[in-house]
Amino acid sequence: DQQVKQNSPSLSVQEGRISILNCDYTNSMFDYFLWYKKYPAEGPTFLISISSIKDKNEDGRFTVFLNKSAKHLSLHIVPSQPGDSAVYFCAASAMGTYKYIFGTGTRLKVLA
Amino acid sequence: SQTIHQWPATLVQPVGSPLSLECTVEGTSNPNLYWYRQAAGRGLQLLFYSVGIGQISSEVPQNLSASRPQDRQFILSSKKLLLSDSGFYLCAWSVIGGEETQYFGPGTRLLVL
Repeated sequence: DQQVKQNSPSLSVQEGRISILNCDYTNSMFDYFLWYKKYPAEGPTFLISISSIKDKNEDGRFTVFLNKSAKHLSLHIVPSQPGDSAVYFCAASAMGTYKYIFGTGTRLKVLA
Repeated sequence: SQTIHQWPATLVQPVGSPLSLECTVEGTSNPNLYWYRQAAGRGLQLLFYSVGIGQISSEVPQNLSASRPQDRQFILSSKKLLLSDSGFYLCAWSVIGGEETQYFGPGTRLLVL
């Protein structure tokens, strides 16, 4: 049972435009969400997080939106840059469980 | 600042051979530690996590095991590797009672032949 889903395995966006990466979850106990960026043969790098008490968190070009009623979160990258090309993972955890459930990732390609 | 190390970076092992991957964290005390595997075309699968020395929780039954002999050391082992053990193994840490964000090491690419 995949509790965290990233239904788009890949996404291509033109440089300077907005990239929107989506993530859905099924467990209503999840209350903390993270986005990671991963280059090939490297460990994931933390990008941005959001807790369930918020519906938006912004850090520079990266904004994460959380819709609790829809059990959906999204990562917006504006403007997209070629260096943003990587695999993006969303992850979720429930308070006190120490466990993080990751999605299968979305490969973003930003075209110059 | 905190740093997480993993070694080796790459490993090629024959089927049936033993495995030992090591992960160490610097710059923090009593971290939560995690082992993940990323198989080709798949997401990150949590294998083990530890909230303290000698405390290991297993998420996926398989022929792998983990140990935490010291506060900032986490070891992933196998007595006999299978072909299906090939993948990219990632160690991560997080702060107990902190903001819960996990930070990953550089990973070990394991190829079992």
